[in-house]
Amino acid sequence: AQTVTQSQPEMSVQEAETVTLSCTYDTSESNYYLFWYKQPPSRQMILVIRQEAYKQQNATENRFSVNFQKAAKSFSLKISDSQLGDTAMYFCAFRRYGGATNKLIFGTGTLLAVQP
Amino acid sequence: DVKVTQSSRYLVKRTGEKVFLECVQDMDHENMFWYRQDPGLGLRLIYFSYDVKMKEKGDIPEGYSVSREKKERFSLILESASTNQTSMYLCASIRSGSSYNEQFFGPGTRLTVL
Repeated sequence: AQTVTQSQPEMSVQEAETVTLSCTYDTSESNYYLFWYKQPPSRQMILVIRQEAYKQQNATENRFSVNFQKAAKSFSLKISDSQLGDTAMYFCAFRRYGGATNKLIFGTGTLLAVQP
Repeated sequence: DVKVTQSSRYLVKRTGEKVFLECVQDMDHENMFWYRQDPGLGLRLIYFSYDVKMKEKGDIPEGYSVSREKKERFSLILESASTNQTSMYLCASIRSGSSYNEQFFGPGTRLTVL
């Protein structure tokens, strides 16, 4: 069974600085997908960024980028130029390739606080 | 824009009551999910449905049941609420066909069982 581990329950960063959130996972499969979701306080969970395991190039979305290390089974999220609106709970998630159900397996989350 | 709505943001019920949590999505998604979110435990899958009237148990189905009579609506039922079911409940939906697809979430229902 696949598992996702986020070892940092809480993190803090100053506005405009860079922060990296860690995520490791365990799977025996070679094809899969990885996601970072953001849950702002009292607001809906939204997708931040996603990565296909068979792609070598790390995904980037504006200030958000990932460091995907397939051999190490690591998928960290880097937030550059942190903004107050980045304050949120961040979840790393894994999905198997194929299948009809599109189930996600989530980590326990990292609560990020951006300080002014 | 995809919209996933949940019937209540906050709900307070008494032990032993039957509780219905409703979720509606407006983008014709085939797959729908119910998660439970607890501090330190992340999101845990309770049940999911991959088509109308089709359902499968997730990781923590005990004490819950679901209903999906129409494609857009997925209901979570607590037959006899207990205090250990106090939690945040999140509904989500996704279009089937590609594992790369984004899963869309509702705003959540914070349920307190007294």
